[in-house]
Amino acid sequence: AQKITQTQPGMFVQEKEAVTLDCTYDTSDPSYGLFWYKQPSSGEMIFLIYQGSYDQQNATEGRYSLNFQKARKSANLVISASQLGDSAMYFCAMRVGNFNKFYFGSGTKLNVKP
Amino acid sequence: DAGITQSPRHKVTETGTPVTLRCHQTENHRYMYWYRQDPGHGLRLIHYSYGVKDTDKGEVSDGYSVSRSKTEDFLLTLESATSSQTSVYFCAIRAQLNTEAFFGQGTRLTVV
Repeated sequence: AQKITQTQPGMFVQEKEAVTLDCTYDTSDPSYGLFWYKQPSSGEMIFLIYQGSYDQQNATEGRYSLNFQKARKSANLVISASQLGDSAMYFCAMRVGNFNKFYFGSGTKLNVKP
Repeated sequence: DAGITQSPRHKVTETGTPVTLRCHQTENHRYMYWYRQDPGHGLRLIHYSYGVKDTDKGEVSDGYSVSRSKTEDFLLTLESATSSQTSVYFCAIRAQLNTEAFFGQGTRLTVV
């Protein structure tokens, strides 16, 4: 069975500091993809970053980086230099299988304090 | 923005009535998904499609059916709406294997 776990329902971070959002996954499929999405209070889902299971290097996109530890089955999102606009729900997701099922974790609500 | 439109955006319906939500895309993407979002559960996969007339169940498919008669449209039907199906429904599309999914704006459905 495929599973994505986000153990932090809510987190606070001070503006300009870095923050790590945890994500662990479980799959027996050797080929999979890991994604992070941001959902602001307006409700839309915004793609942030992607990591493939065969990628050798950790993915980075601007202030976002994905700390991929394959042996530990973790794919944590690191946001550097937090901004007030980073306050939102963050979802970890996994794509697996021949037909590309796409599973999501339960989310982490991040609050950035001024 | 990815060309994906959900309709309606808001709906209130009565228990026991059938409801159909529509997802329309202009991207010609192969994969389409329906999710429901509830507090504490994140997004849960209801059904998905990997081509015209090719659909399969997700984690929470009971009480839902889908149809995809053409590439651009993926319909989600609640056969007999119940209060437990009050939720926000998201449609998503993906082009191919290692690409991100693009999401519609969501449909807020209330079953009274």
